[in-house]
Amino acid sequence: QVQLVESGGGVVQPGRSLRLSCTASGFTFKSCAMHWVRQAPGKGLEWVATISYDGRSTYYADSVKGRFTISRDDSKNMLFLQMNSLRTEDTSVFYCAPTVRTPFEEWGQGTLVTVS
Amino acid sequence: QSALTQPASVSGSPGQSITISCTGTSSDIGAYNYVSWYQQHPGKAPKLMIYEVNNRPSGVSNRFSGSKSDNTAFLTISGLQAEDEAEYYCSSYRFGSTYVFGTGTKVTVL
Repeated sequence: QVQLVESGGGVVQPGRSLRLSCTASGFTFKSCAMHWVRQAPGKGLEWVATISYDGRSTYYADSVKGRFTISRDDSKNMLFLQMNSLRTEDTSVFYCAPTVRTPFEEWGQGTLVTVS
Repeated sequence: QSALTQPASVSGSPGQSITISCTGTSSDIGAYNYVSWYQQHPGKAPKLMIYEVNNRPSGVSNRFSGSKSDNTAFLTISGLQAEDEAEYYCSSYRFGSTYVFGTGTKVTVL
């Protein structure tokens, strides 16, 4: 079965950087586009970024464009999110999700990032 | 990148049917059949309930169904049960290879 484990969250000061990781298993990672989605405390879901199956194309929400970078390592079945110039409004649980048959088909448990 | 619009709350009695709307634009819901619905219980990760407007993943009850008309998508839950009480979100592919989620709807079983 599909398993997604996010890690790397924590407490960070505004303006600093953090790198999130997502370890995937149970599906053919190298064949799937991957996404990051976040959810601020008590708020709704917000799409953050997408990387194509081959890593050649990346897409970002306006709120993170120029500050966040999505990347992948197919040799390790891992997805990353490099977050720079963090703001208090970036405080959220971050989820990774694949497009296996459809976008956001499966979800991990998320990792909490607190910018304070 | 504005969110899709959902009602803040919808309620119903056990056994009843309820419908949640999700309103977008001609650049997302109106243009593509990549509308999905997610269920989220408190403290849990979202779970895919409907994809590509009206398809159910394996294991999802057939009490859940989806549809779309112009720029609005709908999720109907029939035979409402206590375990259906949760937050529900829609999502859509949007022109420009981006995605957008709805504002969320809290479903209460009376």
